[in-house]
Amino acid sequence: DSGVTQTPKHLITATGQRVTLRCSPRSGDLSVYWYQQSLDQGLQFLIQYYNGEERAKGNILERFSAQQFPDLHSELNLSSLELGDSALYFCASSVAPTYDQPQHFGDGTRLSIL
Amino acid sequence: QQPVQSPQAVILREGEDAVINCSSSKALYSVHWYRQKHGEAPVFLMILLKGGEQKGHDKISASFNEKKQQSSLYLTASQLSYSGTYFCGTAILQGAQKLVFGQGTRLTINP
Repeated sequence: DSGVTQTPKHLITATGQRVTLRCSPRSGDLSVYWYQQSLDQGLQFLIQYYNGEERAKGNILERFSAQQFPDLHSELNLSSLELGDSALYFCASSVAPTYDQPQHFGDGTRLSIL
Repeated sequence: QQPVQSPQAVILREGEDAVINCSSSKALYSVHWYRQKHGEAPVFLMILLKGGEQKGHDKISASFNEKKQQSSLYLTASQLSYSGTYFCGTAILQGAQKLVFGQGTRLTINP
């Protein structure tokens, strides 16, 4: 158990809909990262937050947005969903936003678009 | 900018050794190694930093060649539990703002 909690575990919805994925980081971790993993693909970095502020952006579509709240939990909002958005979405957290610290991953949310 | 991992897949018998390589075209600040079993979360194994520092599990060994921007993960006396896909993630030296993961190396350990 990494200590990172993601909800829901599974989400099935239709094209054009909007969903929200939630992540609670490990106790003491201030930085949160979101990744997308499509079938048999690697991990694609989407966005990073540190202590409530956006710190870095990766290949995140304009239809996607995220935020980190004062209690440090984070939400990833996906809108106007397309079939290609079906994927595993992982949240990870670390103590600091630098890349000399391990990132600990949650169990992911599996999003299926029908 | 995505690091290149080799081999793409390897099959071993229990007790055999394996080496997984990760190569970047950019000067690196750090290399991270993770193992992921099918449908599960990636699990942190090790970080190797420019300058030689390492952070990770005692039973995992790895190297980082700063001149070549290459890292290798050494799995010795493999156990069935070592099966999974191994990912390296790299953070570049200049303006590292994200971890870029390789495509993964699928390791299968047979009894």
